[in-house]
Amino acid sequence: QKEVEQNSGPLSVPEGAIASLNCTYSDRGSQSFFWYRQYSGKSPELIMFIYSNGDKEDGRFTAQLNKASQYVSLLIRDSQPSDSATYLCAVNRGNNDMRFGAGTRLTVKP
Amino acid sequence: DAGVIQSPRHEVTEMGQEVTLRCKPISGHDYLFWYRQTMMRGLELLIYFNNNVPIDDSGMPEDRFSAKMPNASFSTLKIQPSEPRDSAVYFCASSHRVGNQPQHFGDGTRLSIL
Repeated sequence: QKEVEQNSGPLSVPEGAIASLNCTYSDRGSQSFFWYRQYSGKSPELIMFIYSNGDKEDGRFTAQLNKASQYVSLLIRDSQPSDSATYLCAVNRGNNDMRFGAGTRLTVKP
Repeated sequence: DAGVIQSPRHEVTEMGQEVTLRCKPISGHDYLFWYRQTMMRGLELLIYFNNNVPIDDSGMPEDRFSAKMPNASFSTLKIQPSEPRDSAVYFCASSHRVGNQPQHFGDGTRLSIL
């Protein structure tokens, strides 16, 4: 079992729709969780982080964490073509030991 | 504030040559990470340092790979001898030691071994 698993996609949604990206992790001791966005040919950039169970909202983005189920998700509301990118889920297992998922490629169609 | 700085941005070299990638972390960050990214394997952690000391190098693929961090503001990743299968984008990232901080990535070095 991979440490961090994501659906590779591609996930395609129409402009204005909600995009839902999912991630599961294997280490129950994991402490913090991050979502990175990576445009083609660019480096990953942090868009959200969450430490506690529940939801965390930032603009059009909502991160959801369920530690009992070892599940993290990212919702993007009112998706825009500029949101088209690969989204990487990252899990900090402690002591800054970060593990990344393979990423989900999102396409938002105008 | 300056971000993580990597050099060179692109490197093309012939098989068997030595390759050295460089990284300057964000000032004040205590952790430095080297990653490799390919289409097939995604983003792989190669090695990371805390306060200039290597903590986990289990991701380093072979003895041909080595990494050093002689001081808090500089790290190198060296491949000797290089092989075509080493072609990838190599990222350096850094993070602050306090709490579970996110990692900040450099722009990467796109390495092509012919």
